[in-house]
Amino acid sequence: SQQGEEDPQALSIQEGENATMNCSYKTSINNLQWYRQNSGRGLVHLILIRSNEREKHSGRLRVTLDTSKKSSSLLITASRAADTASYFCATDSRMDSSYKLIFGSGTRLLVRP
Amino acid sequence: NAGVTQTPKFQVLKTGQSMTLQCAQDMNHNSMYWYRQDPGMGLRLIYYSASEGTTDKGEVPNGYNVSRLNKREFSLRLESAAPSQTSVYFCASSEVSSQGAKNIQYFGAGTRLSVL
Repeated sequence: SQQGEEDPQALSIQEGENATMNCSYKTSINNLQWYRQNSGRGLVHLILIRSNEREKHSGRLRVTLDTSKKSSSLLITASRAADTASYFCATDSRMDSSYKLIFGSGTRLLVRP
Repeated sequence: NAGVTQTPKFQVLKTGQSMTLQCAQDMNHNSMYWYRQDPGMGLRLIYYSASEGTTDKGEVPNGYNVSRLNKREFSLRLESAAPSQTSVYFCASSEVSSQGAKNIQYFGAGTRLSVL
């Protein structure tokens, strides 16, 4: 079963607005990552936040992590039409000393021009 | 640099046919992965190879086999394709640090497989 569950499943906003998507997970983690997938393409890494970090920024992206609630959020500020994509969280739990990432089911973001 | 290259990009099979999906990376990464993605869902791990010479099952390994041919190449084989294996298949690679603190994965463009 998947570790991360994203909310909402789909989000439609106007260009210039902010987009917030959330991820919840079940087990202890080493880090949590966010990836973007444009339609018909592979996933691209956006940002990584370690378990001992609470917030991280990269350009228009802001990620928060609350390990007590086992949740993370991704905020995209001043959205653009080019931000239209699916966004996935992925957790690195290292529970069994493997190198697996467990991906959530994703949030489909549509940014209307 | 090409990054992660997958071939073929598209494939149509009949039930019972076999095929091998190829994946190669030019980033000198130790770890490689095969995922499948079904409509509206996230990625599910089929098999992975933490390092050259090792392979391990992921979440959905049934019906698949893998070969880590060398450090660059990791292939996925369907011995007897079934309609349930219709999906998009992604290969990925990563360089996991000695502390394992990072596991950023780089993905290929995917192989779209239909099994009739």
